[in-house]
Amino acid sequence: DQQVKQNSPSLSVQEGRISILNCDYTNSMFDYFLWYKKYPAEGPTFLISISSIKDKNEDGRFTVFLNKSAKHLSLHIVPSQPGDSAVYFCAASAGAQKLVFGQGTRLTINP
Amino acid sequence: KAGVTQTPRYLIKTRGQQVTLSCSPISGHRSVSWYQQTPGQGLQFLFEYFSETQRNKGNFPGRFSGRQFSNSRSEMNVSTLELGDSALYLCASSLALSGVSEKLFFGSGTQLSVL
Repeated sequence: DQQVKQNSPSLSVQEGRISILNCDYTNSMFDYFLWYKKYPAEGPTFLISISSIKDKNEDGRFTVFLNKSAKHLSLHIVPSQPGDSAVYFCAASAGAQKLVFGQGTRLTINP
Repeated sequence: KAGVTQTPRYLIKTRGQQVTLSCSPISGHRSVSWYQQTPGQGLQFLFEYFSETQRNKGNFPGRFSGRQFSNSRSEMNVSTLELGDSALYLCASSLALSGVSEKLFFGSGTQLSVL
């Protein structure tokens, strides 16, 4: 039972343009959502999070949007830079329960 | 402040053997979680330890076990290794504030190859 789904295994974006990564979830009890970024041979690093009481959170070039009615989460990166090329995981949790991760989306930024 | 430390970084084992992976959390973090990452499967939750007790468990067979010590350091053991156990094993720690959702801090992982 995949409670968190990232339906795009990969995404290719031109440098300077906007990257939009999507994530869907099924558990309506989830109240905390996060995005992690992962480079090869390294552990995931925290990028940005959002609580279910909000619908948007910004941190520099990164913005996360939450649509609770659609059970949909998205991460916008603008402008995209070559260093943004990595695998991005969305994750969600309900209260103090474990974080549930999606399958990941490999983002490639082309010069 | 030092991050989450996992040892060893790489391991090569053969089928049927057993393996122990080690994780030292960030100082002051009381919860340690373990995840398995395989291509296309994302991060699959194995288990979480808090105050030396297993608090959450994922859907993995009993061959996968773990423990946490009084200093919050944790070990994960896999017995009777199978080819499908080849994966990146990630350890993550958190403060474990009561009842609060919080982010995890990950180590670099142990890449296990089973031949």
